[in-house]
Amino acid sequence: GQNIDQPTEMTATEGAIVQINCTYQTSGFNGLFWYQQHAGEAPTFLSYNVLDGLEEKGRFSSFLSRSKGYSYLLLKELQMKDSASYLCAVKDSNYQLIWGAGTKLIIKP
Amino acid sequence: IAGITQAPTSQILAAGRRMTLRCTQDMRHNAMYWYRQDLGLGLRLIHYSNTAGTTGKGEVPDGYSVSRANTDDFPLTLASAVPSQTSVYFCASSDASGGASNEQFFGPGTRLTVL
Repeated sequence: GQNIDQPTEMTATEGAIVQINCTYQTSGFNGLFWYQQHAGEAPTFLSYNVLDGLEEKGRFSSFLSRSKGYSYLLLKELQMKDSASYLCAVKDSNYQLIWGAGTKLIIKP
Repeated sequence: IAGITQAPTSQILAAGRRMTLRCTQDMRHNAMYWYRQDLGLGLRLIHYSNTAGTTGKGEVPDGYSVSRANTDDFPLTLASAVPSQTSVYFCASSDASGGASNEQFFGPGTRLTVL
């Protein structure tokens, strides 16, 4: 079966750095996406990785290792507005997205 | 309108009733999707459409039907609602012509409660 694993919840301090991990087992791989979802709102796109390595976009970076079936999202200089759920999703061999359950990130002052 | 709209925002429905959730996008995206999101679970694909006139089944299609008469609209119908269909429903679209990297854009969601 297809499976995306990420921690259920994480807590971090304002101004700090946090790393949210995602491991996956899917039938085929056509890229990995990270989305942010604030409570009661729709998911919004953060990043896309298809090749191994680190993609940096401002305070957010995303890393991929295809051989390990592993990705992480790195958030730097945390702000209170970063409190949200972060969803990992893999595009499988049918080009459909398989979603993890999401990691709820709590930022404390 | 800009982006994707969904209607209604929320709905309480008696079991056995028929319900259509509406979704409209103005981005001329060829691909559209319906997901349900339940606490503790990832988004699950119900149905999708890669282009107007075609539809496909996702992971959890039972009890739901869709149609895609034109590019902009993708309604989701529950023929006879059951309590297990209580969920938040998200419609999404993407420009699939560009390949695997194109992200999906989501509507604001419909919160459906079936009693």
